[in-house]
Amino acid sequence: DTAVSQTPKYLVTQMGNDKSIKCEQNLGHDTMYWYKQDSKKFLKIMFSYNNKELIINETVPNRFSPKSPDKAHLNLHINSLELGDSAVYFCASSSVFGNQPQHFGDGTRLSIL
Amino acid sequence: AQSVTQLGSHVSVSEGALVLLRCNYSSSVPPYLFWYVQYPNQGLQLLLKYTTGATLVKGINGFEAEFKKSETSFHLTKPSAHMSDAAEYFCAVSDSQGAQKLVFGQGTRLTINP
Repeated sequence: DTAVSQTPKYLVTQMGNDKSIKCEQNLGHDTMYWYKQDSKKFLKIMFSYNNKELIINETVPNRFSPKSPDKAHLNLHINSLELGDSAVYFCASSSVFGNQPQHFGDGTRLSIL
Repeated sequence: AQSVTQLGSHVSVSEGALVLLRCNYSSSVPPYLFWYVQYPNQGLQLLLKYTTGATLVKGINGFEAEFKKSETSFHLTKPSAHMSDAAEYFCAVSDSQGAQKLVFGQGTRLTINP
């Protein structure tokens, strides 16, 4: 009965590669988010989609491209990975209506060699 | 722009002692405030939230927080610490509970001494 699930949980790859992280929520929420947590545990929003439409796009390199095929899924594709991309990436979801807070997945730990 | 400051990156208390984690916020609009907990290698779990109404909010695991507008604070407390409370705690602010972004504090690591 996982609410927000991310795959993979761990991702180790070399600099310059392209990788994707997938996120799915079964809560019926209409809004999904990607957050980045750096090595000092600081959390910062990257993107947000509402009903497949991009509504928040923070200052993120254009090597990062989110894609939302439907409102239950939000994937993150990263091109030309750099050492500084090493972090934990969290997916979250919420509903605009019904005063629901954001629910987070368990994170994807990305390590760049 | 909104911001959150958590005073103390690391707090250590004895088992059974009072837990107090401090959070101050800055917001140009009425804020929605949250406390999340993160256990090792896990995601964030909502402890409690303040939106409107009663300024003292109770959450899970015996935690509570009080919204003080005059002090722009939302400190988290628990009367008696348990070993299982050891985790990272994050205070966050948004200007709505829906599709707006959460702005997080830098986190406070809580250690419980036996």
